[in-house]
Amino acid sequence: GAVVSQHPSRVICKSGTSVKIECRSLDFQATTMFWYRQFPKQSLMLMATSNEGSKATYEQGVEKDKFLINHASLTLSTLTVTSAHPEDSSFYICSARDTTNEKLFFGSGTQLSVL
Amino acid sequence: SQQGEEDPQALSIQEGENATMNCSYKTSINNLQWYRQNSGRGLVHLILIRSNEREKHSGRLRVTLDTSKKSSSLLITASRAADTASYFCATAVTSGYSTLTFGKGTMLLVSP
Repeated sequence: GAVVSQHPSRVICKSGTSVKIECRSLDFQATTMFWYRQFPKQSLMLMATSNEGSKATYEQGVEKDKFLINHASLTLSTLTVTSAHPEDSSFYICSARDTTNEKLFFGSGTQLSVL
Repeated sequence: SQQGEEDPQALSIQEGENATMNCSYKTSINNLQWYRQNSGRGLVHLILIRSNEREKHSGRLRVTLDTSKKSSSLLITASRAADTASYFCATAVTSGYSTLTFGKGTMLLVSP
């Protein structure tokens, strides 16, 4: 089946640093990728929709300058958490939509801990 | 905003028993999907049911959809310890799999 690789799986950083998370579709092209945030024992909250070659669409309440999204190719989207603070600590998950069949596949998630 | 609401929030059963989880939603949908998430991992798609379908089966999974009540149920028969995970329903207002709204999830614990 289709595979979405998300890296890193876990990152611990100091407050004020920036963290980049990568989401790659390994065996299919993904025009659209989605970034979610999940707090412990909570549901997934859509943060933004990433479209290849154009600007991402952010959900209400999500700071564009805080969470930078780049989708430069059909197989890669990146989420950069800029100037991370402890309240940004969370589990971030990406998903990618297969262009050929519209199916969604999820990455394994990134646990971000900001000290 | 939250669309799906699952209940129960947590469910603990013995291996071999059936597990039933429910999901309610608020707006009209095109389809409803169920996903599974192991602790600290991504989501795995289990099954999709369209708004014009009432029931769907996949292996030990049985999903029902009642659009008049805006609710769905996921039944896992003959549960196994490996079924221990969180289960989420997600709704899509348009066709295809794009832009899903997830419910809060049910944590299922299956004891050997």
